[in-house]
Amino acid sequence: DIQMTQSPASLSASLEEIVTITCQASQDIGNWLAWYQQKPGKSPQLLIYDATSLADGVPSRFSGSRSGTQYSLKISRLQVEDIGSYYCQQAHSNPNTFGAGTKLELK
Amino acid sequence: EVQLVESGGGLVQPGRSMKLSCAASGFTFNNYDMAWVCQAPKKGLEWVATISYDGSSTYYRDSVKGRFTISRDNAKSTLYLQMDSLRSEDTATYYCAKQLYWYFDFWGPGTMVTVSS
Repeated sequence: DIQMTQSPASLSASLEEIVTITCQASQDIGNWLAWYQQKPGKSPQLLIYDATSLADGVPSRFSGSRSGTQYSLKISRLQVEDIGSYYCQQAHSNPNTFGAGTKLELK
Repeated sequence: EVQLVESGGGLVQPGRSMKLSCAASGFTFNNYDMAWVCQAPKKGLEWVATISYDGSSTYYRDSVKGRFTISRDNAKSTLYLQMDSLRSEDTATYYCAKQLYWYFDFWGPGTMVTVSS
């Protein structure tokens, strides 16, 4: 199985701050990478797919990038509604696998 | 508006069976692959199974192969997950999800399954 190593596990940031979360794939997955946001008590929401494509309705302050087998999610100006957990997912091969998650809190 | 609503969860004893349902609306159900994804309490997300748009192909994670069966009724726009020989480690919230390629672009609110004696 492809392992997705996500970091950091938790993150505390201030409003308007730039936030970056990363995922390292254990092997080449091309651009087959998605990011999800999960607010407390809610189901996940797709933010980014194909490593860099913004899902419908997602604010433009969210962006995705790739460098080799390392993938990053950037929130350009943190808002209060961005608080929650974030997960990466590789969709290159089955079983498709998720990172362990990053819990984002307000400082 | 896409809506997915799961039902059928609850408390079940180890070794017993349970069947989950997911009612879909707001999109052409028979055009899309569908999946079940689970999340154990306070844990991360784990893909469980996928079924192709026409039901001809199914895919499972190793830990549920031979115990879980994913199926669909396109006439009723409903997805199912038959779970047999349940184990304590199957305890989780189970989400129904619409697939976009092998991504999950819409999720239901989830239904909790607790396997305990």
